Amino acid sequence: EVQLAESGGGLVQPGGSLRLSCAASGFALRSYGMNWVRRAPGKGLEWLAYISFGSTNIFYADSVKDRFTISRDNAENSLFLQMNSLRVEDTAVYYCARGPLWYFDYWGQGTLVTVSS
Amino acid sequence: QSVLTQPPSVSAAPGQKVTISCSGSSSNIGNNYVSWYHHLPGTAPKLLIYDNNKRPSGIPDRFSGSKSGTSATLGITGLQTGDEADYYCETWDSSLSVAVFGGGTKLTVL
Repeated sequence: EVQLAESGGGLVQPGGSLRLSCAASGFALRSYGMNWVRRAPGKGLEWLAYISFGSTNIFYADSVKDRFTISRDNAENSLFLQMNSLRVEDTAVYYCARGPLWYFDYWGQGTLVTVSS
Repeated sequence: QSVLTQPPSVSAAPGQKVTISCSGSSSNIGNNYVSWYHHLPGTAPKLLIYDNNKRPSGIPDRFSGSKSGTSATLGITGLQTGDEADYYCETWDSSLSVAVFGGGTKLTVL
């Protein structure tokens, strides 16, 4: 069974950093592109970043470019999101999702990031 | 404000049919595949339709997708109270080099 499990969320002050992890099981992570998506309170889904299976292609939403970094460790079946210079408006539930950019077929349950002083 | 436009809300009675529209442009829907998702806050979003009109395994045929030009439509027949959720369209925007979601449509089954 395909499963994705995010971790690493929590409360952080504005300007701080967090590193989210996504543990994949039930499939070979090395064969798939992966994404991060978030949903802020009262807002809709927002795609944030994509990394191809070999890490050769990486794309970011403008809202997080130059602040967030997506990476992966295929040997450890793990996906990461390094989030720096966090803002109040980054408060959201963050999801990892498997897929090629034009669809996301499996999602994790999400991890909550709260940016507040 | 998303580059993909969806109605904020739709509603219909149990057993009825509803459609949700998603309007874009030639740089996104017009030249790329569209997917659709069901989401209840606090849960994992679920893929309903991919590649414009294909259903993943386990998604009932009550759900259908279509695309024409720069617009896409999700159809749901035989509405159930359990279908109440937020629905999102998604595609790749070739000009912006980003994946984009519509603003979301809240479905109420009266």
